Amino acid sequence: DIVMTQSPDSLAVSLGERATINCRSSQSVLYNSNNKNYLAWYQQKPGQPPKLLIYWASTRQSGVPDRFRGSGSGTDFTLTISSLQAEDVAVYYCQQYYRGLTWTFGQGTRVEIK
Amino acid sequence: QVTLRESGPALVKPTQTLTLTCTFSGFTLDSSGMSISWIRQPPGKALEWLARIDWDDAKHYSASLKTRLTISKDTSRSKVVLTMTNMNPVDTARYYCARTVAVAGVPSDYWGRGTLVIVSS
Repeated sequence: DIVMTQSPDSLAVSLGERATINCRSSQSVLYNSNNKNYLAWYQQKPGQPPKLLIYWASTRQSGVPDRFRGSGSGTDFTLTISSLQAEDVAVYYCQQYYRGLTWTFGQGTRVEIK
Repeated sequence: QVTLRESGPALVKPTQTLTLTCTFSGFTLDSSGMSISWIRQPPGKALEWLARIDWDDAKHYSASLKTRLTISKDTSRSKVVLTMTNMNPVDTARYYCARTVAVAGVPSDYWGRGTLVIVSS
């Protein structure tokens, strides 16, 4: 299986400031045939199922605010929250869903207000 | 609208087999590119992807749990069933099912609320 490693495990950011979460895969999730990275980001709030934020590494799911941005390619990816809002307090997970392989999640990053 | 709902026993004994059902609506699993995945989350811990079944009946399993898992679908009844054998207390978790639209590159856009399974004697 591809191993997904997120950093940091947790971070505290002031309201309105930027939050940056990193995710590294043990092998590339870039599918050369279509030049797509099979990497997604989810947000999970307490007592709720995860919510898809980003897929294909940088495509925002419908309805997701544009302060959430995904970037990266190959094995290194980043989720940036440009201006943290109170409602963004949550645990964030990256997931690889490379074609033809079993899928795996990162260990999660907890985002809190400083 | 798209909905998914997980159902199954809340409590199982060690060594027993767990059977979970995902009942969905708002889409059909025999549409090209559609899939259903199972994911679990032990209390206070991270998500763990378990298995996926595709529209063409292809099945995919977590490498670490492959020998214990079986996934199947009943398209006419809009259900997907996951069985896990030889349950252990470490399998205590909330089990989720989620929809995948592979043709659009979307991994899991709709999720059920999950069902909590406790493994205890």
